[in-house]
Amino acid sequence: SQTIHQWPATLVQPVGSPLSLECTVEGTSNPNLYWYRQAAGRGLQLLFYSVGIGQISSEVPQNLSASRPQDRQFILSSKKLLLSDSGFYLCAVLRQGSYNEQFFGPGTRLTVL
Amino acid sequence: KNQVEQSPQSLIILEGKNCTLQCNYTVSPFSNLRWYKQDTGRGPVSLTIMTFSENTKSNGRYTATLDADTKQSSLHITASQLSDSASYICVVSLGFQKLVFGTGTRLLVSP
Repeated sequence: SQTIHQWPATLVQPVGSPLSLECTVEGTSNPNLYWYRQAAGRGLQLLFYSVGIGQISSEVPQNLSASRPQDRQFILSSKKLLLSDSGFYLCAVLRQGSYNEQFFGPGTRLTVL
Repeated sequence: KNQVEQSPQSLIILEGKNCTLQCNYTVSPFSNLRWYKQDTGRGPVSLTIMTFSENTKSNGRYTATLDADTKQSSLHITASQLSDSASYICVVSLGFQKLVFGTGTRLLVSP
């Protein structure tokens, strides 16, 4: 079965500082991977998805970027954080099948001060 | 515009009671509908998933229904437990990569 790890679990960063969030997946190869953000009181918003190494699709223009340096590693980054980047960041993996269901990681709580 | 609306926003019920959460969607094309449970500070966990041809699906004390004609779904929780306290999120899939999320119903089960 697939296992998703996210690091760190919580993070407090000042405005203007860089960001790097890591997602790693076990138990699958060549997975489709996703980054979501959940702001307070709002639904999950898809930020990026990747169907393979080096392949990144961006869903919304923003202050963030993503990279996939390895098959089961997905990185979310920013050069300069904004207050509006605060939120709960979730990594997800697609389990292909009749439902094409997405499974979510434990999340990273980011607070930008 | 593709939207998923959930009601109520929040709900408090006594332990042991039943409750029903609602989801209305205006999503096209429709692939499937999912209900997730999200504990505070955790990632969402899938409860049920239904295609347009499925009217009902159960997972223990959770039963989801789907009316593809009226574009409505409900999640019924039977004999609620304290551990059911969480946010319940309705998600509609447009296809392979696209999910539209509701903002969730926050349920509190009180002893």
